[in-house]
Amino acid sequence: QKEVEQNSGPLSVPEGAIASLNCTYSDRGSQSFFWYRQYSGKSPELIMFIYSNGDKEDGRFTAQLNKASQYVSLLIRDSQPSDSATYLCAVMGTGKLIFGQGTTLQVKP
Amino acid sequence: DTEVTQTPKHLVMGMTNKKSLKCEQHMGHRAMYWYKQKAKKPPELMFVYSYEKLSINESVPSRFSPECPNSSLLNLHLHALQPEDSALYLCASSHLRTPDNQPQHFGDGTRLSIL
Repeated sequence: QKEVEQNSGPLSVPEGAIASLNCTYSDRGSQSFFWYRQYSGKSPELIMFIYSNGDKEDGRFTAQLNKASQYVSLLIRDSQPSDSATYLCAVMGTGKLIFGQGTTLQVKP
Repeated sequence: DTEVTQTPKHLVMGMTNKKSLKCEQHMGHRAMYWYKQKAKKPPELMFVYSYEKLSINESVPSRFSPECPNSSLLNLHLHALQPEDSALYLCASSHLRTPDNQPQHFGDGTRLSIL
């Protein structure tokens, strides 16, 4: 069974700090990796996607991928209370996305 | 608001009713998906359509019947549902390109309650 693992949290950070969200995956052949943000009662919203080893930056968000360690992370700089949500890591398996359980982030003012 | 439009936003139905969920996208995506999401759980894949043909059925009970009439529309027909089917039903779509799998974009979902 191919798996995606995330710490469920909650991860609590003060406003303005860097939030670091981590994800590991079991299928070494995975090539595509996605981060979704989901507010309570809402649908998942795509934040970042990354295909190659290294870092990919978009505004306050940075996705990091290390295929050798089967590890993908999401950094949120200058965290804001509006970033408080569940962050879902997703890995593309054979024709389908495999989601982690999600990490709940709480940004405290 | 998203570019994947789902209707209705909320649906309450009895166990003997027949209803349909609708999903529409105009992004030229040729892959469309149905997911089911229970509270505090990640989305669970139900069906995948590629080029209007069913490519993945995740062993979903026959009381859920998908339909893809054209490249922009996806329906989910519901009949004789059970209370445990109450959930948020999400539609998503994506381009079909290789080798990199394209991101899936989700609609706002239909919150379904079975009485």
